[in-house]
Amino acid sequence: AQSVTQLDSQVPVFEEAPVELRCNYSSSVSVYLFWYVQYPNQGLQLLLKYLSGSTLVKGINGFEAEFNKSQTSFHLRKPSVHISDTAEYFCAVRLSNYGGATNKLIFGTGTLLAVQP
Amino acid sequence: EAQVTQNPRYLITVTGKKLTVTCSQNMNHEYMSWYRQDPGLGLRQIYYSMNVEVTDKGDVPEGYKVSRKEKRNFPLILESPSPNQTSLYFCASSLEGTGGVEQYFGPGTRLTVT
Repeated sequence: AQSVTQLDSQVPVFEEAPVELRCNYSSSVSVYLFWYVQYPNQGLQLLLKYLSGSTLVKGINGFEAEFNKSQTSFHLRKPSVHISDTAEYFCAVRLSNYGGATNKLIFGTGTLLAVQP
Repeated sequence: EAQVTQNPRYLITVTGKKLTVTCSQNMNHEYMSWYRQDPGLGLRQIYYSMNVEVTDKGDVPEGYKVSRKEKRNFPLILESPSPNQTSLYFCASSLEGTGGVEQYFGPGTRLTVT
């Protein structure tokens, strides 16, 4: 079965500092990988996704993530954060090979990014 | 504008009083799903639907029902809510199959059961 681990429940960081949010997954088959962001009192918004091809994926708001198959990781990074990046970030996977029940997204438990001035 | 809408956004109710949370999408998506979000647990799937009249259980279906009579709508029904169903609920939709990579989420419904 697939699972997603986000080891850091909260990451405090100062404004303009770099940040990395960690995500590891387990799966015996190929997966699609996603990062979603949830701003306070809002729904989930897609930040970026990895489907295939280049392992470095760029998303919105200056975020990027790198797929590492050997380490089964998909860490999210930003070189310089802003106060407005304060939000909860969720890593998610879904099976890539076929539809049906595998449209299901399996989410990590989330990481709260707290950007301080 | 392509979107998923949910109503109500906030709901406080009492134990045992039946309620329905509506979900509607305007993107002609086949696949729709309900998730609940709880602190420290992330989002967990409650039910999903691959098309009209096709629904199935997710990971945490106990205490919930769904129906899919029209492609655009996927209501979540709590026939006898209990306090452990206090949570933040999200509806999502996507195209079906391998074409449906990205899921679009509604704004969420915060439910409190006392």
